Amino acid sequence: EVQLVESGGGLVQPGGSLRLSCAASGFTFSSYWMFWVRQAPGKGLVWVSRINSDGSSTTYADSVKGRFTISRDNAENTLYLQMNSLRADDTAVYYCARDLTGNVFDFWGQGTLVTVSS
Amino acid sequence: EVVLTQSPATLSASPGERATLSCRASQSVRSSLAWYQHKPGQAPRFLIYGASTRATGVPARFSGSGSGTEFTLTISSLQSEDFAVYYCQQYDNWPPWTFGQGTKVEIK
Repeated sequence: EVQLVESGGGLVQPGGSLRLSCAASGFTFSSYWMFWVRQAPGKGLVWVSRINSDGSSTTYADSVKGRFTISRDNAENTLYLQMNSLRADDTAVYYCARDLTGNVFDFWGQGTLVTVSS
Repeated sequence: EVVLTQSPATLSASPGERATLSCRASQSVRSSLAWYQHKPGQAPRFLIYGASTRATGVPARFSGSGSGTEFTLTISSLQSEDFAVYYCQQYDNWPPWTFGQGTKVEIK
């Protein structure tokens, strides 16, 4: 069974940093692109970042470019999102999602809540 | 960036009724459109890709249609578990991968 479990969310002050993790199991993690998608309170889903299967290529939404870094450890079956210079508008539930070869997201985690507030 | 506009924002319907959700793209995305179901506190669920292909395990009451800029998700007979928010997503022109703002299907 495919499972994606996010962790690392919490309350952080503006300007602070946080590192999210997404533990994957039930599939060959190293074969798949992975994504981060977020949902601000009361809002819709927004794509944040994407990484290819071996970690050599990454892409970011303009809103997080230069502040967030996506990475992965294929030996540990774990996806990461390092978030720096956090702002109030980064407050959201962050989901990791697997790419079904074709840029659609066939499995998602339950999400982890990040709250940026003083 | 491709903007997806979903309508209506909220659809009120009774169990057993047919629900028709619309997604319009700001430019052609060919058939590169997916649909997701999302319930509060849960992981989004993958429903449809290629505009009309159901994902594994998705009941036949869910069907997708359309191409280019106009797409529809139809739920032929609403079940209690279908009341949720539905999002369309395009993957023809990326980055960014974009979602519509969602349609909430609520119990009438």
